[in-house]
Amino acid sequence: DSGVTQTPKHLITATGQRVTLRCSPRSGDLSVYWYQQSLDQGLQFLIQYYNGEERAKGNILERFSAQQFPDLHSELNLSSLELGDSALYFCASSVRLAGTGELFFGEGSRLTVL
Amino acid sequence: GQQLNQSPQSMFIQEGEDVSMNCTSSSIFNTWLWYKQDPGEGPVLLIALYKAGELTSNGRLTAQFGITRKDSFLNISASIPSDVGIYFCAGQLYGGSQGNLIFGKGTKLSVKP
Repeated sequence: DSGVTQTPKHLITATGQRVTLRCSPRSGDLSVYWYQQSLDQGLQFLIQYYNGEERAKGNILERFSAQQFPDLHSELNLSSLELGDSALYFCASSVRLAGTGELFFGEGSRLTVL
Repeated sequence: GQQLNQSPQSMFIQEGEDVSMNCTSSSIFNTWLWYKQDPGEGPVLLIALYKAGELTSNGRLTAQFGITRKDSFLNISASIPSDVGIYFCAGQLYGGSQGNLIFGKGTKLSVKP
């Protein structure tokens, strides 16, 4: 158990819909990262928050947004969903801002868009 | 974007055999890491490397940070059935921002008892 909690574990929805994925980082970790894992692309970095502020952006679509709340939990919002958005979405956390690459991953949220 | 070329894509080996996999890139990395992902789980860190030339072991696992800073390898000795899973290399770019990692596409390891 990494200490990172993600909900929901599975989500099935239709194209055009909007979903919210939730992540609670390990106790004491201030930095939260979101990654997308699809079969053909591997793990792709989406976005990072540190102590409530956005700190780095990767290949995140404009239809996606995220935020980190004062209690440090984070939410990833995916809107106008397309079939290609079907993937595993992982949240990871670390203590520091810059980090050493030592990330602790949750079990992921599997999104299926029909 | 930046890419890590991880090979092989998959391996099917006999229990007890040694395993070797590697990652290469055209870019220079500050940090190389190796993660393992079991089915239905998130990746778990196995080994982290911070200096060019560094060789680090974790039990039956050994990993090295290449001298050129553009590659890394992972060896698993005397494989056992619980070694099954997907192994990912990951790198933090030299001069890169805020700790986000670039991941290879993974090596899927299957072990025959």
